[in-house]
Amino acid sequence: DAKTTQPNSMESNEEEPVHLPCNHSTISGTDYIHWYRQLPSQGPEYVIHGLTSNVNNRMASLAIAEDRKSSTLILHRATLRDAAVYYCILITNRDDKIIFGKGTRLHILP
Amino acid sequence: NAGVTQTPKFRVLKTGQSMTLLCAQDMNHEYMYWYRQDPGMGLRLIHYSVGEGTTAKGEVPDGYNVSRLKKQNFLLGLESAAPSQTSVYFCASSYDSYEQYFGPGTRLTVT
Repeated sequence: DAKTTQPNSMESNEEEPVHLPCNHSTISGTDYIHWYRQLPSQGPEYVIHGLTSNVNNRMASLAIAEDRKSSTLILHRATLRDAAVYYCILITNRDDKIIFGKGTRLHILP
Repeated sequence: NAGVTQTPKFRVLKTGQSMTLLCAQDMNHEYMYWYRQDPGMGLRLIHYSVGEGTTAKGEVPDGYNVSRLKKQNFLLGLESAAPSQTSVYFCASSYDSYEQYFGPGTRLTVT
């Protein structure tokens, strides 16, 4: 079973920020929070990951709750090309068995 | 840099036939993975490898075998294909267990 819980789908308007939530109430101290996304008819691509502190990169920001039981992926200005399924995944440092779950399907409205 | 490539892109098999899917990466990654993705579902890990000559079972290994004879290649074999193995198969590689790079996928139909 996936160790994370995400909404099945979300909608957002183009050029507005998007906040994608993820709950992981059973997270352990060594679990890293990863986000991947899968565009239509493509393989998944890495977005961002973090452990405790908020993280930023060119694609997105990751906000991690103080108790680490939830996190939010932030797309600062959504474009139509951001329409994809977003997966929130927990990966332990030496755990190679990754469970993707069903993710959140993000729809971007023009 | 080609990244991760998969061969073939599409394949149709009859029940009971065998085939091998090839995954190749040119990033000198130690870790390689095979996943399957059924319609409307997330990815499920079939087998993985943490280095040349090593393989391990993932979440759904039954009906599949793998080999990692060379660091850059990871082969997925179906000895006797079944309709339940109709799926899209993704290969991935990574330097460690963190950022994985995925191939474009192989769409397999078993009739």
